[in-house]
Amino acid sequence: NAGVTQTPKFQVLKTGQSMTLQCAQDMNHNSMYWYRQDPGMGLRLIYYSASEGTTDKGEVPNGYNVSRLNKREFSLRLESAAPSQTSVYFCASSELDSSYEQYFGPGTRLTVT
Amino acid sequence: AQSVTQPDIHITVSEGASLELRCNYSYGATPYLFWYVQSPGQGLQLLLKYFSGDTLVQGIKGFEAEFKRSQSSFNLRKPSVHWSDAAEYFCAVGAQTGGSYIPTFGRGTSLIVHP
Repeated sequence: NAGVTQTPKFQVLKTGQSMTLQCAQDMNHNSMYWYRQDPGMGLRLIYYSASEGTTDKGEVPNGYNVSRLNKREFSLRLESAAPSQTSVYFCASSELDSSYEQYFGPGTRLTVT
Repeated sequence: AQSVTQPDIHITVSEGASLELRCNYSYGATPYLFWYVQSPGQGLQLLLKYFSGDTLVQGIKGFEAEFKRSQSSFNLRKPSVHWSDAAEYFCAVGAQTGGSYIPTFGRGTSLIVHP
């Protein structure tokens, strides 16, 4: 099992460009999440998807959109990138069983110039 | 809404010394509590979790944590630190919201291990 995979690993964008970060999990989890990690700020939730077909805003959704393509895949789109979106982005998945453990991908390091 | 405070941004210990990382939470009901570790350039990995029952929980890599309801704390401990323990540590508190589980993470504590 690969767990949670993310592509790309690194990306540099110019202000105003758009891009989509891809995330896939092979653990058959219902819930998936997108976080951003900035120095000294911990992880902040951007969007989450409780199950296929549903998405909800997290703490910092402005400037982002998401798509839960199917049970495996959850993508994050930046329509018009801004320097404030320079960050490391993590995707995670979990299941609503007794575990509640989140499984994280390796992250995407995004720089917006 | 739940919140998590990790009061120490950096902790420096010598290899072989004991370790305690502090975590305080705010949540109205019985919380789900977690500690995650992040090695440089990696994603987060679960160290241990507390849902109910025994307030002293054991995790991977020799870590343990104790839930103290009266102090709203869930501190992480290790009796003897190894150089490979140098990493960022995150405490998280979770709540089930509707059909999903939404955790809140602390800002993290960076552990530096001196030889």
